[in-house]
Order: sequence, then structure tokens, then C-alpha cells
Amino acid sequence: DQQVKQNSPSLSVQEGRISILNCDYTNSMFDYFLWYKKYPAEGPTFLISISSIKDKNEDGRFTVFLNKSAKHLSLHIVPSQPGDSAVYFCAASASNYQLIWGAGTKLIIKP
Amino acid sequence: EPEVTQTPSHQVTQMGQEVILRCVPISNHLYFYWYRQILGQKVEFLVSFYNNEISEKSEIFDDQFSVERPDGSNFTLKIRSTKLEDSAMYFCASSRNLQGRNSPLHFGNGTRLTVT
Repeated sequence: DQQVKQNSPSLSVQEGRISILNCDYTNSMFDYFLWYKKYPAEGPTFLISISSIKDKNEDGRFTVFLNKSAKHLSLHIVPSQPGDSAVYFCAASASNYQLIWGAGTKLIIKP
Repeated sequence: EPEVTQTPSHQVTQMGQEVILRCVPISNHLYFYWYRQILGQKVEFLVSFYNNEISEKSEIFDDQFSVERPDGSNFTLKIRSTKLEDSAMYFCASSRNLQGRNSPLHFGNGTRLTVT
């Protein structure tokens, strides 16, 4: 039961260009969405979140867009930097608060 | 910046043995969690803990698993009789408020459990 799907296992982007990571969800009860970033041998670290009452949230180079009708969210990183190379997890929660995670997308930033 | 620390970083055990994974959450956090990630798969929620009791658990968290906060700083996950399929990276996390709601989880670096 994949309530949160990240369909791209990996993504390769040139340094300085925009990285777009996508996430789809099936549960219409989800009302809070988060992105976490994970480096090898480390735990995930929180990146950015968005509530369902918004359709965009921006924090520096990171912007998350939410399209509720399509049950889709995306993370934009611009400009992409070598340190952005990591695995990015999308996660969602409904009012019961348990976070449901996607499988992750490995982002590779090429110099 | 305060961190969540986990020990050991790698634990190897034989099938059927008991293991205890240890975590020290951030000191002013009130909510504690265990997650696991089987190699190549998604991060899975196991259990959340608040006010000295389990507040939520997943179907993965069966009778073989237990959690404890034995003192004011440690938070442990015990697997009573390990199975091969318990091999995974186990992440401890803590948050000041309930997870995800304006209170991101802070994760430790994980304990890699290998059951042979």
C-alpha cells in the first residue's frame, strides 16, 4: 500500500540548474507534507514542509509546491549545488500524525 | 546544535537473540520515535512514545518489539528474538511536539542491525 510514491529512484542534474523532485500521494486525508534529505551513513534531516492550506512554501533555494487536486507535490532546488547530492524523502501525515514516507529519490548533482 | 545520538552504529546478532538499540534524544524534546529502513526500501514508522507510554505503533511493531525510557535520557528499542528480516537500519528520532506539525523530527545517524 504505497500511499506516498516517489516514482523516480534517481535524478541527475547539472550544477547550477534546477532540480525538481516529485512526489504523489493517494490519501486525500493527508494535510501536511514534508521533505527530508539523507546523506549516506546519516539519519534524515528535515528540509521543508507545507500545509495543505498552502500551495507553495519557499525557504532559500528550496521551494515546495502542492497541487491538492492532482495529489502531487514537488521540491524545487535552484540553483543546485554539489552538496545537494543526497536521497530526498517525501513524507505526509493526516490528522493521526503518523508520517508516511516515500521510497526516496537519489539526487546526483554533476559538476 | 543538539543531536540525537544512537549506539551502537552497527550491531551484528544471531537469529533468535535479543538486541537492544539505544538512543539519547534531544534533551528538551518530548516525543520519541523509532523508524527502520530495510536496505533499498522506504523508511518505515515503528513506534512513537510520549509521556512514558507508546502513543502509536505500526503493524510492524509486534510483540517482539518493546520500547523503554529507563531513565531521563535514554530511549531504547528491544527486539526480543531477532529474525533475519529484522536486518535493517534503525533510526531513532525525537521532536518537541507531535511529529510533523511545525515540529520536525530530528533523527540520529542510525544503528545498522544485521541478523545472521
